[in-house]
Amino acid sequence: QVQLVQSGAEVKKPGASVKVSCQAFGYPFTNYGITWVRQAPGQGLEWMGWISGDNGNENYAQKLQGRVIMTTDTSTNTAYLELRSLRSDDTAVYYCARAPEEWELDAFDLWGQGTMVTVSS
Amino acid sequence: EIVMTQSPATLSVSPGERATLSCRASQSVSSNLAWYQQKPGQASRLLIHGATTRATGIPARFSGSGSGTEFTLTISSLQSEDFAVYYCQQYNNWPVTFGGGTKVEIK
Repeated sequence: QVQLVQSGAEVKKPGASVKVSCQAFGYPFTNYGITWVRQAPGQGLEWMGWISGDNGNENYAQKLQGRVIMTTDTSTNTAYLELRSLRSDDTAVYYCARAPEEWELDAFDLWGQGTMVTVSS
Repeated sequence: EIVMTQSPATLSVSPGERATLSCRASQSVSSNLAWYQQKPGQASRLLIHGATTRATGIPARFSGSGSGTEFTLTISSLQSEDFAVYYCQQYNNWPVTFGGGTKVEIK
């Protein structure tokens, strides 16, 4: 079955880091990219960045530059999102979605179920 | 960045009735507009891309229209499984941006 399966909920303290995984099933991982989108409680969807499933090229949203790292592991068809120096306003549900393999604009045709990350002291 | 505005925030509709959702872009996005359906605890689903093209497996009761800055998602006859939150997204410019969503609830 074609799907993206994300890791479970996380609770972190301010200043810590979190790493969320997104494992792809049912399609050739290296033929696509992965994009990450987050949704804070009661807020809309915010695009965070994109990574190629083939060569690991990435592009990040400007406001997250320096705090976000996206990686992939093609041996397990898994993409990772690491967010550092967490703040309370990073509390959100984090989604991965399938994207074009190249850095190009298109709709996201497959989504993960979301991972809740709570940042609280 | 392009701001996407959806209206109304909440739409109360009876099963079997038509639902019309609106999305406005702060500048032209051509036809590079997608609609998604989101249900609690589930993966979001792509409904429409290219403003008017239904994604694979999407029922014909879902239709999209518009171009430039004004877009509409129409659900011709609401089924029980259609009560959800709907988001529009522009992918004409980086960063891609989303509307604030329209919640379609049972009247």
